Amino acid sequence: QKEVEQDPGPLSVPEGAIVSLNCTYSNSAFQYFMWYRQYSRKGPELLMYTYSSGNKEDGRFTAQVDKSSKYISLFIRDSQPSDSATYLCASRNTGGFKTIFGAGTRLFVKA
Amino acid sequence: IAGITQAPTSQILAAGRRMTLRCTQDMRHNAMYWYRQDLGLGLRLIHYSNTAGTTGKGEVPDGYSVSRANTDDFPLTLASAVPSQTSVYFCASSDEVDQPQHFGDGTRLSIL
Repeated sequence: QKEVEQDPGPLSVPEGAIVSLNCTYSNSAFQYFMWYRQYSRKGPELLMYTYSSGNKEDGRFTAQVDKSSKYISLFIRDSQPSDSATYLCASRNTGGFKTIFGAGTRLFVKA
Repeated sequence: IAGITQAPTSQILAAGRRMTLRCTQDMRHNAMYWYRQDLGLGLRLIHYSNTAGTTGKGEVPDGYSVSRANTDDFPLTLASAVPSQTSVYFCASSDEVDQPQHFGDGTRLSIL
């Protein structure tokens, strides 16, 4: 079992829809959680960085962590065609250098 | 623009050849990393460096070596390339090892 699991998709939604992207993880020591966005032929770009459980909002993006169920979510409101990309979730423990990445979910937002 | 520069952007290489992928960052970050990204497997850590002069092995280090002579540069060398090393290679850096990582745009390497 991979330490961070992510549905590869693809996920296709119409413009303006609310998008929900999800990951599960197995290591209860993970305390830091990240979401990266990766456009085609580009490197991953950090979107959200959260610590422990709870919600964090940044513009149209909300990251949610539920440590009791080891579940990580990214919500995108009012989705735009420019949001079409692969989204990677990632986790690591406190003081650890090793970040574990999910394989990514491919999102298509249709105009 | 501050960030990470990787070179070359793509390369086709014959099996058995030696190849060095270059990575330079201008953010004065202490920690640097090399990953390979393969379809369905995500990003896997090859080698890392906590600070200049130190390196360590990641999840998939075999067939690869690194050096960290200074803060800015972190080259990755394939001593004798094999087809299974065909992948997209990403260099990343972070201010410290416990900070989120920032990535370059990758080197697409094909070994024939």
